[in-house]
Amino acid sequence: QKEVEQNSGPLSVPEGAIASLNCTYSDRVSQSFFWYRQYSGKSPELIMSIYSNGDKEDGRFTAQLNKASQYVSLLIRDSQPSDSATYLCAVNGIKAAGNKLTFGGGTRVLVKP
Amino acid sequence: DTAVSQTPKYLVTQMGNDKSIKCEQNLGHDTMYWYKQDSKKFLKIMFSYNNKELIINETVPNRFSPKSPDKAHLNLHINSLELGDSAVYFCASSQDGLAGAITDTQYFGPGTRLTVL
Repeated sequence: QKEVEQNSGPLSVPEGAIASLNCTYSDRVSQSFFWYRQYSGKSPELIMSIYSNGDKEDGRFTAQLNKASQYVSLLIRDSQPSDSATYLCAVNGIKAAGNKLTFGGGTRVLVKP
Repeated sequence: DTAVSQTPKYLVTQMGNDKSIKCEQNLGHDTMYWYKQDSKKFLKIMFSYNNKELIINETVPNRFSPKSPDKAHLNLHINSLELGDSAVYFCASSQDGLAGAITDTQYFGPGTRLTVL
């Protein structure tokens, strides 16, 4: 079982619709969760972080965390063509001496005009 | 203005050569990282350094040797390059970087695309 799992996609979404991305993780003691956006040929860019169960909203983005189910999701409202990218879920493990992020394989999102 | 910078952006070399990639951050962060992103886009941590001290080493071949002359710089030297080393290498930094720093956030450099022929 992979430590952090995401559906690779592509997730095809009409412009203006809601894109829903899911991520599951295996380490039950994980405490920090991040969503990064990566455009093709570019570096990962942080868009959301979440640490507590529930929802966290930032503009058109909402992150949802359920530690009991070991599940974190990202909603993108009013999707725009500029949202077309790969979205990486990252989980901070606490076993290592340092701050170690484990990334999922990413979900590719395509927003069609 | 660049927060985390890397040089070079592209590196094309022959098998067996030795090459280095440099990284610098001007964010005042204590910890720096090297990640490898392979052709399948999986991003995996290789090393992290906190205030010039190695704190994470993810069973990377010893052909890879990171060096941190100060906390703003983390370089990666690779000996005897192999075809499988072809990937994009990302440097990152974070304010704290130590275990238990729950809100610690990593910021990535632009990446170095290494191609080994």
